[in-house]
Amino acid sequence: SQTIHQWPATLVQPVGSPLSLECTVEGTSNPNLYWYRQAAGRGLQLLFYSVGIGQISSEVPQNLSASRPQDRQFILSSKKLLLSDSGFYLCATGEGNTIYFGEGSWLTVV
Amino acid sequence: GNSVTQMEGPVTLSEEAFLTINCTYTATGYPSLFWYVQYPGEGLQLLLKATKADDKGSNKGFEATYRKETTSFHLEKGSVQVSDSAVYFCALRTGGFKTIFGAGTRLFVKA
Repeated sequence: SQTIHQWPATLVQPVGSPLSLECTVEGTSNPNLYWYRQAAGRGLQLLFYSVGIGQISSEVPQNLSASRPQDRQFILSSKKLLLSDSGFYLCATGEGNTIYFGEGSWLTVV
Repeated sequence: GNSVTQMEGPVTLSEEAFLTINCTYTATGYPSLFWYVQYPGEGLQLLLKATKADDKGSNKGFEATYRKETTSFHLEKGSVQVSDSAVYFCALRTGGFKTIFGAGTRLFVKA
């Protein structure tokens, strides 16, 4: 079965600073990978998905970007964080028609 | 387009009460349907799923039946426990790469 690792688990960043969240997947090859965001008390918003190395689809225009430098590595980045970027970021991978989530990364922008 | 609508929470129940969380969907084609659970401070875990009409997904005492005629996938449990306190998300997936989630329903269970 697949295992999803996300880090860091929590971070507090000042407005205007850069961001890098990393996700790696074990136990599968060529997975579909996803970044979701969950704002406080709200539902899930799909940010990016990737079906292969270097292939990124963006769902919403925003201050964030994603990259997939290796088959099982998915990175979420920002050059300059905004207060509105605060939230819980979840990496996910697909197996068949089901997606599975990592433990998430809590980002607070101050 | 495809969408999922869940009952608004929070839902507050006493231990051993019966739970229903309503979920209805709009989709083209024949989606697969899911319930995920999110415990405080954690990521989402798959709770159960159903892939075709009249299928019943079940896990940990929770059940949901895929009702095509009413486009529903209501989550039920006969006797909730304090440890069931969490946020529950209904979701669907048709062909393609995206899973669409409802807004989530928070459940509080009191001892």
